[in-house]
Amino acid sequence: EIVLTQSPGTLSLSPGEGATLSCRASQSVSNNYLVWYQQKPGQAPRLLIYGASSRATGIPDRFSGSGSGTDFTLTISRLEPEDFAVYYCQQYGWSPYTFGQGTKLEIK
Amino acid sequence: QVQLVQSGSELKQPGASVKISCKASGYIFTNYAINWLRQVPGQGLQWMGWINTNTGIPTYAQGFTGQFVFSLDTSVSSAYLQISSLKAEDTAVYYCARNFLPGLRLFDYWGQGTLVTVSS
Repeated sequence: EIVLTQSPGTLSLSPGEGATLSCRASQSVSNNYLVWYQQKPGQAPRLLIYGASSRATGIPDRFSGSGSGTDFTLTISRLEPEDFAVYYCQQYGWSPYTFGQGTKLEIK
Repeated sequence: QVQLVQSGSELKQPGASVKISCKASGYIFTNYAINWLRQVPGQGLQWMGWINTNTGIPTYAQGFTGQFVFSLDTSVSSAYLQISSLKAEDTAVYYCARNFLPGLRLFDYWGQGTLVTVSS
């Protein structure tokens, strides 16, 4: 099973700042099949980025993904108030399809 | 628009069973697989498995066999998750989610989640 480790656990930033979230895999993720979701309290996760770097439909271009192999990054430029949430990475290259434990992005 | 609407919260006693529904609308139900995921309150997400909406054949992730059963009723565009012999540790929010791409387990539309609480 591929273990995904996200860091930091919590990130405290102010609106307008940039955020960098990390997701590290215990082994190489096949075909860079890595996805990022955003989850707000009481809501289901929302698909942001798939294939490590492709934005899903309707996702603002301030969200970008990068990385390959075992190291992946979600970057949010110019944080908006609605961006403060928990972010999860998930790999869909190998079954079982596993998630990271999440990074909470909170308002400083 | 695409929607997955799940049944409401459940409070069950240990040893009981529960059946959660997930009704799809806004797309052709049999064109996309349905996955089931679990989120223990305050914790991360676990993929439980998926069901082929064409054949009705389920696939369960390790750790989700025996106690969990996925099923369909394509006549009403619905998928179901039945959990038997409930234990306190089954307390969680259960989500259904649609496959974004054929054969690839990433999820573009999710149900709103169903909280199952197991307590005596």
